[in-house]
Amino acid sequence: GIQVEQSPPDLILQEGANSTLRCNFSDSVNNLQWFHQNPWGQLINLFYIPSGTKQNGRLSATTVATERYSLLYISSSQTTDSGVYFCAVDPTGNTPLVFGKGTRLSVIA
Amino acid sequence: GAVVSQHPSWVICKSGTSVKIECRSLDFQATTMFWYRQFPKQSLMLMATSNEGSKATYEQGVEKDKFLINHASLTLSTLTVTSAHPEDSSFYICSAILAGALGTQYFGPGTRLTVL
Repeated sequence: GIQVEQSPPDLILQEGANSTLRCNFSDSVNNLQWFHQNPWGQLINLFYIPSGTKQNGRLSATTVATERYSLLYISSSQTTDSGVYFCAVDPTGNTPLVFGKGTRLSVIA
Repeated sequence: GAVVSQHPSWVICKSGTSVKIECRSLDFQATTMFWYRQFPKQSLMLMATSNEGSKATYEQGVEKDKFLINHASLTLSTLTVTSAHPEDSSFYICSAILAGALGTQYFGPGTRLTVL
């Protein structure tokens, strides 16, 4: 099956810093989503981005489908950004998402 | 729109008892729902695919007789953990796809199960 690799596994940032999280996937996909899992376990959908670039406030994401990777940018990080960021892909658009192992982000004041 | 709820949000039970977890799509119809399990500090792992009106499809290594899934309507899927044991303690999360559409999957808030 499709493989999803995320890097880095752990990241510690000073408040106000910028960061880039990467997601590599081994095959073409019809769906790619970025999630933030908060301390209570809730998965917050950040982006649905099988290709192209999207921005939402301090967050933006770019997926280069032909090269099989996606990037999540966090600018001016805040302590509330802490948590685990997951990239998940679906090869067909109607099948279960395959999750990467996540990037655990800690933003310190 | 596209809200998925789960009930209960957390449950503590004794070993040997059965626990039912509900997953509902509140404002859309979902012909397909998925059940995931997440152990502490790990990623989400798919357990099964639940299709309305048909039997669920289980991933390799998931016991179908232990984790009973029923998708009785276009807005409700249930997961029953039968004869629960401490090793079943985990965070269970469901997701749903809008019927007739490809694309974004919507996730419930999860259910934390602790078996004593």
